[in-house]
Amino acid sequence: AQSVTQLGSHVSVSEGALVLLRCNYSSSVPPYLFWYVQYPNQGLQLLLKYTTGATLVKGINGFEAEFKKSETSFHLTKPSAHMSDAAEYFCAVSVQNQAGTALIFGKGTTLSVSS
Amino acid sequence: DAGITQSPRHKVTETGTPVTLRCHQTENHRYMYWYRQDPGHGLRLIHYSYGVKDTDKGEVSDGYSVSRSKTEDFLLTLESATSSQTSVYFCAISAGQGDAFFGQGTRLTVV
Repeated sequence: AQSVTQLGSHVSVSEGALVLLRCNYSSSVPPYLFWYVQYPNQGLQLLLKYTTGATLVKGINGFEAEFKKSETSFHLTKPSAHMSDAAEYFCAVSVQNQAGTALIFGKGTTLSVSS
Repeated sequence: DAGITQSPRHKVTETGTPVTLRCHQTENHRYMYWYRQDPGHGLRLIHYSYGVKDTDKGEVSDGYSVSRSKTEDFLLTLESATSSQTSVYFCAISAGQGDAFFGQGTRLTVV
């Protein structure tokens, strides 16, 4: 069964520092992978997605993620953190079954950015 | 923003009462999902729908039922609310590859 593990429930960085949020997946078939962001008291919004093709995926707000099949990883990075990046981030995998498509989420990582 | 609205946005209800949450979309997307979000658990899938009258269970479906009689509406019913169902509920819609649009959430408190 497909699943997602996010390493670290809380990550703290200084403004201008590298952001690295870790995600590992398990999947018996080539996965579709996603990163979502949730700002306080809001719903989730899509940051980026990997389906097929180029393994380095660029998303909104300067974020990018690299799909590494050999490591079953899809880590999210940003070269320089801004205060506005403080939020909760979720990695997700798309599961295909007879009933269609379901999106399975990790438990989330809260990113704090200090000045 | 994708056209997806949840109602109500906040609700307080008593243990043992039935509760229905509504998700409405204007995007004509095939898939609709109900998730609950709890601290330390992330988002967990309750039920989802892949078409009118076509639904399937997620990982935390016990105590919940759903119905989809029209493409645009997906209802989540708590048949007899319990305190463990106090949570924030999110509806999401998708055209099929998994990239989903989320509603603003419904904060449900069962007392």
